[in-house]
Amino acid sequence: GAVVSQHPSRVICKSGTSVKIECRSLDFQATTMFWYRQFPKQSLMLMATSNEGSKATYEQGVEKDKFLINHASLTLSTLTVTSAHPEDSSFYICSAATGLSTEAFFGQGTRLTVV
Amino acid sequence: ELKVEQNPLFLSMQEGKNYTIYCNYSTTSDRLYWYRQDPGKSLESLFVLLSNGAVKQEGRLMASLDTKARLSTLHITAAVHDLSATYFCAVSRRGSQGNLIFGKGTKLSVKP
Repeated sequence: GAVVSQHPSRVICKSGTSVKIECRSLDFQATTMFWYRQFPKQSLMLMATSNEGSKATYEQGVEKDKFLINHASLTLSTLTVTSAHPEDSSFYICSAATGLSTEAFFGQGTRLTVV
Repeated sequence: ELKVEQNPLFLSMQEGKNYTIYCNYSTTSDRLYWYRQDPGKSLESLFVLLSNGAVKQEGRLMASLDTKARLSTLHITAAVHDLSATYFCAVSRRGSQGNLIFGKGTKLSVKP
């Protein structure tokens, strides 16, 4: 149980385009989902927290107009990187939690490369 | 502001040796997590520590938590090559199991 699926696992896009990343909880309903970013050889940094049906809460320094988060259902959250630039190239990882679990469950991650 | 410090950041060990990774955090938190990350992969959950004095063991890894000292340790016993990976500790912020502040990670390399 507690499987979180992220799609795509890898994506390459051209500078200036937008890319959407999906995060799905496959066998549970996720009241809250979290989006992290990890640059090469660095740690994970929380970007935003999303609750189903409400606006995401962004961490300081994260541009909400650039990183659009939608949590339309209890099993799906999406992160759209708009007008991507090479500096947005990173490993994006989502996690999902229910109110009942002591931990959130991580997806497989998405490697974004902007060329 | 919650800060999490992990040390060492790099650890090269010989097989069969023991070592401990330390994780200090700056403010009160009720949850501490240890994860393993292999190159190019996401996180694998190792331990969830929820209370002072908690000790958990899985195979050659044992984690403990001292909330008074704001310190957690990950002890490696008789290391084997398969344990080579990066290990992260993370502390819960605002009582949320998913709102985590991560340490910088410890890159462990176990050599024959």
